[in-house]
Amino acid sequence: DGGITQSPKYLFRKEGQNVTLSCEQNLNHDAMYWYRQDPGQGLRLIYYSQIVNDFQKGDIAEGYSVSREKKESFPLTVTSAQKNPTAFYLCASSIAGVGSYNEQFFGPGTRLTVL
Amino acid sequence: GQQVMQIPQYQHVQEGEDFTTYCNSSTTLSNIQWYKQRPGGHPVFLIQLVKSGEVKKQKRLTFQFGEAKKNSSLHITATQTTDVGTYFCAGDAGGTSYGKLTFGQGTILTVHP
Repeated sequence: DGGITQSPKYLFRKEGQNVTLSCEQNLNHDAMYWYRQDPGQGLRLIYYSQIVNDFQKGDIAEGYSVSREKKESFPLTVTSAQKNPTAFYLCASSIAGVGSYNEQFFGPGTRLTVL
Repeated sequence: GQQVMQIPQYQHVQEGEDFTTYCNSSTTLSNIQWYKQRPGGHPVFLIQLVKSGEVKKQKRLTFQFGEAKKNSSLHITATQTTDVGTYFCAGDAGGTSYGKLTFGQGTILTVHP
């Protein structure tokens, strides 16, 4: 089956600890994205990558870091510098390139709770 | 930066009633996309509109893109309980940020049987 996987579904961490969220896709998509969703709010872009070994900050990148060493993988690290990390994190991917229909395919999400 | 506003935030309807959600961007868009998120789920792509004044239909759903490519709407005719969820619009400003979407806050639709 083609798709995007995120693990784990639920994650609990103590305050002050860094945590890495996994995102893997086998859709052969060039572009990948990380969003944060808080209750009653839309999706806010954290980081995105349009090609391997390159990524850009989104609207709320502070306290987060990413890497894109492989086309299939785009892990997100929530650092201790993120002041309010408890949220639902969604990873997505799309075909990159101007002129293409660039619908985003989302993974099931990881719900992070920092205690 | 680009902002996308979506109204209403909540909409409660009786099954069979119509529903509309509106989306407005602070900047002209290259395209606009609509997503649906069921309770407890993840967003799922519904449609992408690219042309000025474009209207697209999917069964009971009608999507419009404004002439100025700054606003859009989603209309559902005769809602069903399966329509429950949050509907998001997402604007793509294009250019060097092509593919980067700015999401509206979403409209949460509740359908009473």
